[in-house]
Amino acid sequence: ETGVTQTPRHLVMGMTNKKSLKCEQHLGHNAMYWYKQSAKKPLELMFVYSLEERVENNSVPSRFSPECPNSSHLFLHLHTLQPEDSALYLCASSQVWDAYNEQFFGPGTRLTVL
Amino acid sequence: AQSVSQHNHHVILSEAASLELGCNYSYGGTVNLFWYVQYPGQHLQLLLKYFSGDPLVKGIKGFEAEFIKSKFSFNLRKPSVQWSDTAEYFCAVNNAGGTSYGKLTFGQGTILTVHP
Repeated sequence: ETGVTQTPRHLVMGMTNKKSLKCEQHLGHNAMYWYKQSAKKPLELMFVYSLEERVENNSVPSRFSPECPNSSHLFLHLHTLQPEDSALYLCASSQVWDAYNEQFFGPGTRLTVL
Repeated sequence: AQSVSQHNHHVILSEAASLELGCNYSYGGTVNLFWYVQYPGQHLQLLLKYFSGDPLVKGIKGFEAEFIKSKFSFNLRKPSVQWSDTAEYFCAVNNAGGTSYGKLTFGQGTILTVHP
């Protein structure tokens, strides 16, 4: 497996469920990102981890809880979500957290909240 | 806060036509500029980027973009499109300095459909 992988690719959950999204990067990068892509809206940065420390939280509701146990793995824990949270969630990584390094994206998880 | 505006939501062209996709950003400081592309069924990937120097940058697959600082624009161009260029194109910008300098702000995307 190369690049950035995400599982599951599709997820349907009820508002009372708890689920987790997983991202893994095989590029030896030190920074990882979660983005949200809603219909007809720009891609929005949610969280950034650099060297396993959270360095950016873009005013994301607490029902989204990220976790970065090591530089290769990133999780997004979901609980008591709302239907408006239905979106494509993209993970990305870059060599370092700065303005000059290309971000490499995964295929995304399509989340539907019923 | 910075923002990125892409003028066209959907552009439809025939093969061999010329392409120009508009991108304007709002931010008063020094910026880095990017175009990303997402081909059908594939990951978002970098097409080209501008940091400094020659404002005309060339990317993969014959694409180029011109940074016009006075117009806060970074339009994407290709002289002759191919059916395989059918994709969604995203303009993005980040701060070149200061805090949160790695934070990318994306435009809404432009879907390009090329008919053979």
